[in-house]
Order: sequence, then C-alpha cells, then structure tokens
Amino acid sequence: KAGVTQTPRYLIKTRGQQVTLSCSPISGHRSVSWYQQTPGQGLQFLFEYFSETQRNKGNFPGRFSGRQFSNSRSEMNVSTLELGDSALYLCASSLGEGTDGYTFGSGTRLTVV
Amino acid sequence: GENVEQHPSTLSVQEGDSAVIKCTYSDSASNYFPWYKQELGKRPQLIIDIRSNVGEKKDQRIAVTLNKTAKHFSLHITETQPEDSAVYFCAGNSGAGSYQLTFGKGTKLSVIP
Repeated sequence: KAGVTQTPRYLIKTRGQQVTLSCSPISGHRSVSWYQQTPGQGLQFLFEYFSETQRNKGNFPGRFSGRQFSNSRSEMNVSTLELGDSALYLCASSLGEGTDGYTFGSGTRLTVV
Repeated sequence: GENVEQHPSTLSVQEGDSAVIKCTYSDSASNYFPWYKQELGKRPQLIIDIRSNVGEKKDQRIAVTLNKTAKHFSLHITETQPEDSAVYFCAGNSGAGSYQLTFGKGTKLSVIP
C-alpha cells in the first residue's frame, strides 16, 4: 500500500513568488491535513480537507490556501512568499471519520531566498 | 482553542533506562491524543495513541497514560535502545471528534549507548 506522497521534495523560491505543493493521500483516505514545521514553532496546523471541503483552518494569513480534488489529492498554495515561509510543509492523510491517526508524508522543504 | 505543552524539551538517558515525556492540554473536550516519533530528516510517524475513554495503553516497550481530570498524558518508553533516539511529539485534537491536531513543541530524546 503506497504511503502519502508529497511533491516536490525540495523547492527554492524568491521572495514575492508563489508556490504550489502537492499531496497524494493513501488510497481510500479522504482527509488531508497540512502542517508547517519549523525549528522554532514546531508543527503548526494550516488546514484540513475532507471530500473537497475545507473542514478546519489554522491561524495563517490568507496567502496560504489549499484545495482538494475529487480523487482526494490536495494542493496548497502560498502566494507572495516571505522569508519566514521557509519551512518543511507536511501533509497527512487519514480516513477522516472519527478520531484516527494521521499518516504523514515526507514533506516538501521550501526555502525562500 | 487547544493548547498542548510538552516537557522536557530534551532528555538524555542511558541505554536500558526508562524515559518519560509529559504533556498537558487545555481543552477538556479533547478526546484523542496521539504520539509521533520523528527521526532526523524523516517524517513524523505515529507510535501510539489513546482515546479519552481509556486510562492507559501499552504496545511492547511503549505505554501512554491519560489523566483526564488533570488534563495531562505521558509517554513511557522502557528498556530504551539507541534507535529510540528521535524527537517525540505529543498532540491533542481540538475538541471532541475534531480532525485538527495541536502538537506540543517536541522532546529530543537521546539514548546513550
């Protein structure tokens, strides 16, 4: 059974640019959550999608957005990149019904220069 | 919203000794508490979880205890081995049935051979 796949693994972008990250969940998983991981702030929740609908949203500015497709694949977009957006972006999938554990992907390492 | 505090931030133990990591949470409605292990350069992996209707759960050398009254839960690792060295994160969901996890800041465990 394939795990959670995130692409690309690494990205270098310039301030002001925008970026799109992709996440393919485990087959059969309908929930995809996104987290930002930094050394100082740890794992911070961005948003969660279930059946193409955003169910929860964290405290990030509107520059951070996401969507989910009918096949449960999800993308997140960050516009007008800032240096502080440099982080490891992790997505996690779950069945999304009741409380069950996430399975994380390996992440996308974004560096903004 | 939920706030999860984790202690200690770093922990060093001799191989074979036990390690204990403690977390407190703020939202009395939270009912799901997973623990993740993240090795250097790798994705967080779920190692054990507990739901609020259970006080303790064990899986070989790992156990988790939950005290709902005091709103704290702990991870216990017995007979530690060098491969247990990693960063451990506790988390709680943001209210009963919520799919959003709030993570603690992590504990870096070093097992000294």
